[in-house]
Amino acid sequence: GENVEQHPSTLSVQEGDSAVIKCTYSDSASNYFPWYKQELGKGPQLIIDIRSNVGEKKDQRIAVTLNKTAKHFSLHITETQPEDSAVYFCASYGNNRLAFGKGNQVVVIP
Amino acid sequence: NAGVMQNPRHLVRRRGQEARLRCSPMKGHSHVYWYRQLPEEGLKFMVYLQKENIIDESGMPKERFSAEFPKEGPSILRIQQVVRGDSAAYFCASSQGTSVTDTQYFGPGTRLTVL
Repeated sequence: GENVEQHPSTLSVQEGDSAVIKCTYSDSASNYFPWYKQELGKGPQLIIDIRSNVGEKKDQRIAVTLNKTAKHFSLHITETQPEDSAVYFCASYGNNRLAFGKGNQVVVIP
Repeated sequence: NAGVMQNPRHLVRRRGQEARLRCSPMKGHSHVYWYRQLPEEGLKFMVYLQKENIIDESGMPKERFSAEFPKEGPSILRIQQVVRGDSAAYFCASSQGTSVTDTQYFGPGTRLTVL
């Protein structure tokens, strides 16, 4: 089955700096890559996604890049704010299911 | 349009009891997925259902666990004779379909604690 790896596991950044989280996947047939944000005690919330026919997508301070040849994709958060502190999960979609990475704890230091 | 609803939000059971977790998908969604999340772990796929059908249960333990999504009412994840290792957060997600354009939206989860 699909194997999604996510790193680093924790990331601390100063408020206003950028944060980058990277994920790799194993199944070359995967064609959809969403990112979810999970705050303490809540369910994962979709923040951005990218399909395999696109290399980059941006939504305000959040962007995602995809390299299908290398089978990796990254989440970029610019001008980080305290409310960006959360656990971020990448996922890869194939065979009617999502395979998730283990998550990345992002801490934005005011 | 209400999001995915799950209840109860917290459930405490003693070893050997049964746990029933409920999930109501978003309006217009007919596909439901259940995931389990252990502490400091990602979400692990358990089962995928459509109305009255189990499509893929390959992620669900063969014993004690079952899931259903009846024609009327919520989807139910049932865990019989719970053990301490079943303690986890269980999340339900729903989508309109299964094409690459159908996003999965998650509920708030049920946190199961087995004493």
